[in-house]
Amino acid sequence: DGGITQSPKYLFRKEGQNVTLSCEQNLNHDAMYWYRQDPGQGLRLIYYSQIVNDFQKGDIAEGYSVSREKKESFPLTVTSAQKNPTAFYLCASSIVPATNTEAFFGQGTRLTVV
Amino acid sequence: QKEVEQDPGPLSVPEGAIVSLNCTYSNSAFQYFMWYRQYSRKGPELLMYTYSSGNKEDGRFTAQVDKSSKYISLFIRDSQPSDSATYLCAMIGGSYIPTFGRGTSLIVHP
Repeated sequence: DGGITQSPKYLFRKEGQNVTLSCEQNLNHDAMYWYRQDPGQGLRLIYYSQIVNDFQKGDIAEGYSVSREKKESFPLTVTSAQKNPTAFYLCASSIVPATNTEAFFGQGTRLTVV
Repeated sequence: QKEVEQDPGPLSVPEGAIVSLNCTYSNSAFQYFMWYRQYSRKGPELLMYTYSSGNKEDGRFTAQVDKSSKYISLFIRDSQPSDSATYLCAMIGGSYIPTFGRGTSLIVHP
């Protein structure tokens, strides 16, 4: 089955620790995105990549880093510089450019600072 | 002003009601419009996708786009308790980056 896989489903981070969230897709999509979802705030764009080895900052990139070494993979690292990392993180992918540009999502990773 | 405005609700309706969910937007470059359904603690699931103005129907769901008013709607007929979820609108323009509304929480009670 084609789709987007995020892991882990739940992640706990200690203060001052970096953690990496995994996102893999087998849809052969060009573009991949990371969003953060907080209660009452909708989805906010962290980083996006429309081609391998290239990525751009979104609206709230501070304290996060990404890489796009393979088309299928777009891992997100939450660094210790991110002061309020507790949130639900969603990865998405889409075909760019094309008539059908709808984005598909993974099931999310819930990150909690302990 | 946010690019995409969506009332967070909650919207509470009885089973069988017709539900109307709406978003307004300010960016006239948006051409692709999507509706997602998100159950608690799950990723958003794509429900409807439309290009430019007009209507699109899929079972109990109808998506409507009015580009002249910068207004999109999702109608749910014969609503069921299983429709209770958060509904997110999303739009794409020339940058091909999806921009989302805040989501509307829908509760359908038996």
